[in-house]
Amino acid sequence: ETGVTQSPTHLIKTRGQQVTLRCSSQSGHNTVSWYQQALGQGPQFIFQYYREEENGRGNFPPRFSGLQFPNYSSELNVNALELDDSALYLCASSPRWGGANVLTFGAGSRLTVL
Amino acid sequence: KNEVEQSPQNLTAQEGEFITINCSYSVGISALHWLQQHPGGGIVSLFMLSSGKKKHGRLIATINIQEKHSSLHITASHPRDSAVYICAVLSNTGNQFYFGTGTSLTVIP
Repeated sequence: ETGVTQSPTHLIKTRGQQVTLRCSSQSGHNTVSWYQQALGQGPQFIFQYYREEENGRGNFPPRFSGLQFPNYSSELNVNALELDDSALYLCASSPRWGGANVLTFGAGSRLTVL
Repeated sequence: KNEVEQSPQNLTAQEGEFITINCSYSVGISALHWLQQHPGGGIVSLFMLSSGKKKHGRLIATINIQEKHSSLHITASHPRDSAVYICAVLSNTGNQFYFGTGTSLTVIP
């Protein structure tokens, strides 16, 4: 079985630009969640998608948006980038929404905003 | 105030020592995860608990739902255990994760 794949692994953007990060979920998983991890900090939950709809969101502004596709892969979009958006963005998939499920994490996309 | 608090923040141990990392949380949960993060960012899920105790090799995780507390134990620690260990809880609404800030463990040969 394949794991969770994220792309790109690293990217550099400038303030005000927009970025799209991609995540392919593990085979058989229909729920995807995204996290932001600033340097030296624990991850922060951004949002979760189940059956192509957002069904949970952390304390992030609307310029953080996402999509889930019919094959359960997902995108995280960030508009109007700010310097503080520099972080490691992690994606995790799980077999189903709700309840106690094992999370499988991708290796992350490291975003630097200059 | 963080919904999830971990202690200690940093821990240095000699190879072979028994290690305990603690996690307390303040929200209602349906599950608690212990995660391991190595330098470079990759996260591995070690355990998912909703009650009791789980064991995998030298790792043991326990949870006390009434006390809202979990512990991760490492027996016979080894330098390859050096990593950041993160406690994360899934709220009992099923749609919100809260993370601790992590415990950075260094095991010295």
